[in-house]
Order: sequence, then C-alpha cells, then structure tokens
Amino acid sequence: EDQVTQSPEALRLQEGESSSLNCSYTVSGLRGLFWYRQDPGKGPEFLFTLYSAGEEKEKERLKATLTKKESFLHITAPKPEDSATYLCAVQTGANSKLTFGKGITLSVRP
Amino acid sequence: KAGVTQTPRYLIKTRGQQVTLSCSPISGHRSVSWYQQTPGQGLQFLFEYFSETQRNKGNFPGRFSGRQFSNSRSEMNVSTLELGDSALYLCASSSLGNEQFFGPGTRLTVL
Repeated sequence: EDQVTQSPEALRLQEGESSSLNCSYTVSGLRGLFWYRQDPGKGPEFLFTLYSAGEEKEKERLKATLTKKESFLHITAPKPEDSATYLCAVQTGANSKLTFGKGITLSVRP
Repeated sequence: KAGVTQTPRYLIKTRGQQVTLSCSPISGHRSVSWYQQTPGQGLQFLFEYFSETQRNKGNFPGRFSGRQFSNSRSEMNVSTLELGDSALYLCASSSLGNEQFFGPGTRLTVL
C-alpha cells in the first residue's frame, strides 16, 4: 500500500526565513509526485508535478525536488501570504488516484 | 477557462438521511475523482470516473456511490448518513490522468 509521510506537521517561520518541507513516500512504481497548497475553507491548489528522481521545478519563492524516497518543497524568503497547508501526494498505477500525506501547516509571521 | 465547480457549497443533514453532491469538471477533462477530507484522516480517495465508468474505488463502504454523465459532470451520493460522514468533499478533474485540479469542495455537516 502506498504511504506518504510529511514533516513537520506544523512550521512557523519569520518573514524572510527560508526553510524546507519534507515528503517521504513508500510506493511501488511512482508515476508522479504532486505538491498542492490549500488555504482554509478552499480546495487544494496545484503547485508542481515531479516525475523522476533528480527533477526540480520552481515557481516564485517555491522550489520542489525529488529523490527516490522523498521530495522537498523549499521556500525561499517566505512572505505572510505563503501561509497555508502544503500537501504532498503520489500517483501510481494507470489511474488518477492520489494518495495524500497529512499536510504541513506553514505560518509565516511578518 | 472555468475551473472545477461543486454544488452545493454547504449542506446540513441529519443522521439516516441521504445526500447528493454535484461536480462539473474543467471543460475537456474526462476524468473526475472524489475525495473526502477530515481533520483526522486528511484527504482520502473515494472513487474515480472516466467516460461514465468507475475506474477505481477507495476503501469506503457501499453507502458511498457515484456516477458520471456523458458531459463528464459527476455526482456522488451518500446514503444513510452517519455523524462520521461530516467532512469536506472534494472533486478533482484531470485530462489524461495527470495533474488533478480541485474544486472548492462541499462542506457536509451531519447532525
């Protein structure tokens, strides 16, 4: 059974203080690893898809990386508006099913 | 391009009742997946429909069912509601099974 573990559960940063969020996974046959951002009361917002170890993708202050066992979401010089829950999910097999981690709640203080 | 829409946004039901939730995917997307999100369990996969056929199903009881119409719109139904069914129900659409785009969700409260 696919398993996804995210750490830490919660992270509080000062504005401008860079950090990384971790997503560890155990799957058989990774097809894709996804990062989403979710604001309170809203649906998850798609950020990145990573398909193979060594792949990296960037968007504004966010950079996602992938190894054979884990993925990192690096946040550079975060701002208060980056405060949200960040979800990691894996996709295996031929269908669309995503297996999610429990998420990391990020709070950025001004 | 319009995003995924879900109706209604909020629902309050009592135990034993049934409920139907609706999802309209992004235009051109033929795959629709449903997820349940609770504080304790996080996001859990319910089922996926593609071209009106259920392609995959999660570990939920038979009280949870769904269907997809020829225009790719999808509905999910929960019968004999229980208190534990209170959750945010999310619909996601995708093209060719890659990135999934989520709707705003339907918040179901069971009293």
